[in-house]
Amino acid sequence: AQRVTQPEKLLSVFKGAPVELKCNYSYSGSPELFWYVQYSRQRLQLLLRHISRESIKGFTADLNKGETSFHLKKPFAQEEDSAMYYCALYTGTASKLTFGTGTRLQVTL
Amino acid sequence: DAGITQSPRHKVTETGTPVTLRCHQTENHRYMYWYRQDPGHGLRLIHYSYGVKDTDKGEVSDGYSVSRSKTEDFLLTLESATSSQTSVYFCAISDHSSEQFFGPGTRLTVL
Repeated sequence: AQRVTQPEKLLSVFKGAPVELKCNYSYSGSPELFWYVQYSRQRLQLLLRHISRESIKGFTADLNKGETSFHLKKPFAQEEDSAMYYCALYTGTASKLTFGTGTRLQVTL
Repeated sequence: DAGITQSPRHKVTETGTPVTLRCHQTENHRYMYWYRQDPGHGLRLIHYSYGVKDTDKGEVSDGYSVSRSKTEDFLLTLESATSSQTSVYFCAISDHSSEQFFGPGTRLTVL
């Protein structure tokens, strides 16, 4: 069965510090992974997906199949990055996604 | 934002009463989903639909039922609400791609 693990419930960093939000997955098929972001009391929105290999708002994520990881990184955190971040795995059935438990990123001055 | 609305946005109800949440889309997407969001659990899939009158269970479907009589509407019903169903409920839609678009959420409190 597929599973997504986000080991950190809360990650607190200072403004300007590097950020790394961890995501590990288990899936027997060929994985397609996403990061979704939820700002305070707003709807979830797609941040990035591994197949597009793009950088959104300075965030990047590389799929490492050997380590089954898809960590989200940003070199310099900004206050507006404070949000809840969810890693998600696409299983290819009815476009279903399996979500991790989420990591709250808190960027402080 | 994709054309997804949810109603009501907030609801307080009592244990044992039926509750229906509505998700409405204007995107004509085939797939629709209901999730609940709880601290420490993230988003968990309740039910999903892959077409009109075609629905299936997710990982936390007990105590919930759904219906989809039109492409644009997906209803989630709690037949007899319990306090454990206090949560934020999100609807999402998808076309044939893997990306899902989310609604604004419904905050449900069961007293």
